[in-house]
Amino acid sequence: DADVTQTPRNRITKTGKRIMLECSQTKGHDRMYWYRQDPGLGLRLIYYSFDVKDINKGEISDGYSVSRQAQAKFSLSLESAIPNQTALYFCATSDLPRLTGGWNTGELFFGEGSRLTVL
Amino acid sequence: GQNIDQPTEMTATEGAIVQINCTYQTSGFNGLFWYQQHAGEAPTFLSYNVLDGLEEKGRFSSFLSRSKGYSYLLLKELQMKDSASYLCAVHLSWGKFQFGAGTQVVVTP
Repeated sequence: DADVTQTPRNRITKTGKRIMLECSQTKGHDRMYWYRQDPGLGLRLIYYSFDVKDINKGEISDGYSVSRQAQAKFSLSLESAIPNQTALYFCATSDLPRLTGGWNTGELFFGEGSRLTVL
Repeated sequence: GQNIDQPTEMTATEGAIVQINCTYQTSGFNGLFWYQQHAGEAPTFLSYNVLDGLEEKGRFSSFLSRSKGYSYLLLKELQMKDSASYLCAVHLSWGKFQFGAGTQVVVTP
């Protein structure tokens, strides 16, 4: 089983519908992120959370909201989907970087992605 | 603001070497990552540099110069399976990651 699991993997919906993308992880990481990926634009950060009570906006948070239900769960909602939210969405987790006393780069671990199409 | 530049696409033949350059201008630097991403799949970790110099991992090497805001990923003995997008990402001091748009590497027979 994947360490970072996203559901659904694919979704087609209509303009104006509410959509929720869910992410769960078994890595025990405190830090979780939601990115969207569009051709030619790379990965852009939507929201991130460094623990259960911490929620922060990323560079493109308008039109999105998130909920950190537990350390292992971080969901992304589109309250009223629009066609330019059609994209590939990735959830990711990371641990706190530690460069001494047990090397940890703090790298991102990604889920398999959720492809969302808004008609 | 944050800015990370890498070429859009590079083509090379099987068995050759390709070098993907990445330049960055960011406020706050906590390390630089390279990820590989095959079409429609999740990015996977390739390498990490936090100090200046070269890190070698098998066929892949990554170099960092913090004073120049420059890194490169070197892919040696190219194989067809290396055809993918390669993402340069800066880990910012406050915990976020800034990604470049990715370099599509096409390996031809």
